Amino acid sequence: AQRVTQPEKLLSVFKGAPVELKCNYSYSGSPELFWYVQYSRQRLQLLLRHISRESIKGFTADLNKGETSFHLKKPFAQEEDSAMYYCALRPRDDKIIFGKGTRLHILP
Amino acid sequence: DAGVIQSPRHEVTEMGQEVTLRCKPISGHDYLFWYRQTMMRGLELLIYFNNNVPIDDSGMPEDRFSAKMPNASFSTLKIQPSEPRDSAVYFCASLADRGAANTGELFFGEGSRLTVL
Repeated sequence: AQRVTQPEKLLSVFKGAPVELKCNYSYSGSPELFWYVQYSRQRLQLLLRHISRESIKGFTADLNKGETSFHLKKPFAQEEDSAMYYCALRPRDDKIIFGKGTRLHILP
Repeated sequence: DAGVIQSPRHEVTEMGQEVTLRCKPISGHDYLFWYRQTMMRGLELLIYFNNNVPIDDSGMPEDRFSAKMPNASFSTLKIQPSEPRDSAVYFCASLADRGAANTGELFFGEGSRLTVL
């Protein structure tokens, strides 16, 4: 079965500290994986995708097929990073599945 | 393009009433998705369409829920009769076809917040 697991509902991190939001997936094929973010009073929007291997707003995520993980990382948290983060999986059939989300709270 | 447009933004209704949520996807996008967001379950996929055809509705909770896409620019999600446990934010999102300059990016509407009393 296709599944995305985000084990933390809430993550509180001090400003300037490193951030890691965990995401594990279950899929037998080659996955397409994404991170979406929802800032307060804004739409859900794409943060980054694994195929681009890009860094957006200081965030990176590496696909680890051995561990079936796609954790989101940032070396130094900023207050504006406070938001809801969702990991998403797109199998070949185009059904895009999301995890339950992690609320990131940056403490001053 | 104004992006994905959803209406109403907020709906408060009483148990047993019919609720209709509306969505206009981005022009040219071939896929349309309906999601439900709750604290407990996060973002649940309810149903998605490709070229106006429902592809997978396995996420629709029960027969009280139905969705249609009569044309490429409009979709509805209907709940009849509504129940308090249906209270949630309902999102519509659209996606371009894989053959296009498709980055796999879903574009979301602002959501419809439903409260069933």
